[in-house]
Amino acid sequence: DVKVTQSSRYLVKRTGEKVFLECVQDMDHENMFWYRQDPGLGLRLIYFSYDVKMKEKGDIPEGYSVSREKKERFSLILESASTNQTSMYLCASSTSTGGKRETQYFGPGTRLLVL
Amino acid sequence: DAKTTQPPSMDCAEGRAANLPCNHSTISGNEYVYWYRQIHSQGPQYIIHGLKNNETNEMASLIITEDRKSSTLILPHATLRDTAVYYCIVTSGNTGKLIFGQGTTLQVKP
Repeated sequence: DVKVTQSSRYLVKRTGEKVFLECVQDMDHENMFWYRQDPGLGLRLIYFSYDVKMKEKGDIPEGYSVSREKKERFSLILESASTNQTSMYLCASSTSTGGKRETQYFGPGTRLLVL
Repeated sequence: DAKTTQPPSMDCAEGRAANLPCNHSTISGNEYVYWYRQIHSQGPQYIIHGLKNNETNEMASLIITEDRKSSTLILPHATLRDTAVYYCIVTSGNTGKLIFGQGTTLQVKP
């Protein structure tokens, strides 16, 4: 079974703090994704990566950065946390076959509260 | 990727089949239909996907109409644990990006 793990289930931070959210997958997947989910807005893509050291902006990258130094690990960084970044953060991974990105598998989510 | 339309909510009696519809009238020939579900406060879970033919796995069946403009996810014997938000997503897989709409909230009742 594909396993995607996220470093924390719940996190409380203060405004202005630097926040690291870690995601690890154990299936040697090339592609990794970070989403946030808010009531009424659904899941929105923040950043994604097709390979080590590669990153692409999603639909709402402002206020976030990412790091992918190893294939299995994709980190989301909030450089200076703000209250409007309070949200559920979801990581996902998928493999690629013949240039096509396959099924995404999601982690359990990190619920972040910024005070 | 094509847009999908789903009813906002549905009820189903425990033990009965749950049939969740999805319209995707602008689907392109190379686009797949994916279904995910999200149980409260958890990450989305992959259920099934298909291109043209009907598909079945241990969780569900996917029926795609011949013109591919709509599909139905069937949970053959719904249980209380199937209560969740179900998302129908159409994607070519070229970018790997998934666009999640509002989905259908399925409530399975005893």
